[in-house]
Amino acid sequence: QKEVEQNSGPLSVPEGAIASLNCTYSDRGSQSFFWYRQYSGKSPELIMSIYSNGDKEDGRFTAQLNKASQYVSLLIRDSQPSDSATYLCAVNIDYGGSQGNLIFGKGTKLSVKP
Amino acid sequence: GAGVSQSPRYKVAKRGQDVALRCDPISGHVSLFWYQQALGQGPEFLTYFQNEAQLDKSGLPSDRFFAERPEGSVSTLKIQRTQQEDSAVYLCASSPQVYYGYTFGSGTRLTVV
Repeated sequence: QKEVEQNSGPLSVPEGAIASLNCTYSDRGSQSFFWYRQYSGKSPELIMSIYSNGDKEDGRFTAQLNKASQYVSLLIRDSQPSDSATYLCAVNIDYGGSQGNLIFGKGTKLSVKP
Repeated sequence: GAGVSQSPRYKVAKRGQDVALRCDPISGHVSLFWYQQALGQGPEFLTYFQNEAQLDKSGLPSDRFFAERPEGSVSTLKIQRTQQEDSAVYLCASSPQVYYGYTFGSGTRLTVV
């Protein structure tokens, strides 16, 4: 069973702090990794993708990937109340016949307090 | 179009009724996916199309679920003889190529009563 694990939270941080969201995955063959943000009652929105080990920065967001540890994280700097949402980790599982299928974690709920 | 369009936005069905959910992906996106999301859970994979070919339907929970994309653009997810456990948000997503992130539609919230 291919799995993607996240702490469900809620994770609460004060405004201006760094929020750190973590995700582990079970399939060593995974090649592509994504973070989605989902506001309550809305559909998921892609915010970051990462394909190779190391860090990838985009504005206030940094994605970190460690394939040896099967670990991917998302850092949000200078957190804002508008960042309050559920963050979904998704991993591409390539097992031959279906190369496009993303497996999602259950999401971590982030709350940024003013 | 500019985004992934799904209809209807909300659907209430009586148990045993058949429903059809429509997805219109972003123009030119060859990959199309259907996911089911229960409250408080992450999206669960249902099925995947590459153009008109259904490459993976391993996530369809039963033979009451059927999906098609006959011309490689619009897709329809059909649920026959709906049951209460089918109540969920059904999300459609499209992608220009495999290994790219998806763009999701707004979803269809299905409630079976």
